[in-house]
Amino acid sequence: EAGVTQFPSHSVIEKGQTVTLRCDPISGHDNLYWYRRVMGKEIKFLLHFVKESKQDESGMPNNRFLAERTGGTYSTLKVQPAELEDSGVYFCASSQVTGAYEQYFGPGTRLTVT
Amino acid sequence: GEDVEQSLFLSVREGDSSVINCTYTDSSSTYLYWYKQEPGAGLQLLTYIFSNMDMKQDQRLTVLLNKKDKHLSLRIADTQTGDSAIYFCAESIFNYQLIWGAGTKLIIKP
Repeated sequence: EAGVTQFPSHSVIEKGQTVTLRCDPISGHDNLYWYRRVMGKEIKFLLHFVKESKQDESGMPNNRFLAERTGGTYSTLKVQPAELEDSGVYFCASSQVTGAYEQYFGPGTRLTVT
Repeated sequence: GEDVEQSLFLSVREGDSSVINCTYTDSSSTYLYWYKQEPGAGLQLLTYIFSNMDMKQDQRLTVLLNKKDKHLSLRIADTQTGDSAIYFCAESIFNYQLIWGAGTKLIIKP
């Protein structure tokens, strides 16, 4: 069974540009989560989808970030326009049931904004 | 507010035990977790402990929870070079949202 995959693994963009990160959860997992780790600090929760619905987006930093999960399968996280402080590693996780102990993480996307 | 703290580095000799410590502030947490991140890899759930437990052992791993002091520790017995990684402590609130520490980088000396 394939695990959670994320694309790209690394993205380097200039300030002001747009970047879209993609996450493919484990097949059959209704719950999908986005987290990010900025500048070697703690990992922060961004948002949680149940199927295509946003269950909790309390961690989204501002309106430059837009997450979607069309059809309840893969999810995208768009940053537009990107700022320097957006640099970090963006992790995606999925779970079959709603529960932190069930979350399986992808390898992350390293975003560098110059 | 929620806050999870852990030291940034730990250096141990191969074969010794490693003890990674973590403190948290939210007394309403339901579960506490240890995740491992190897270079270039994703976050791997190592173990977790329910908040009403004091200890959990799983092969070389021992988790101790002191609820009074809000202190969690992970002991790795007979540390091997393959244990080199960053270890994250996390607590869950609302049963799904994880609150994370900054991670402890475990360095193994030969």
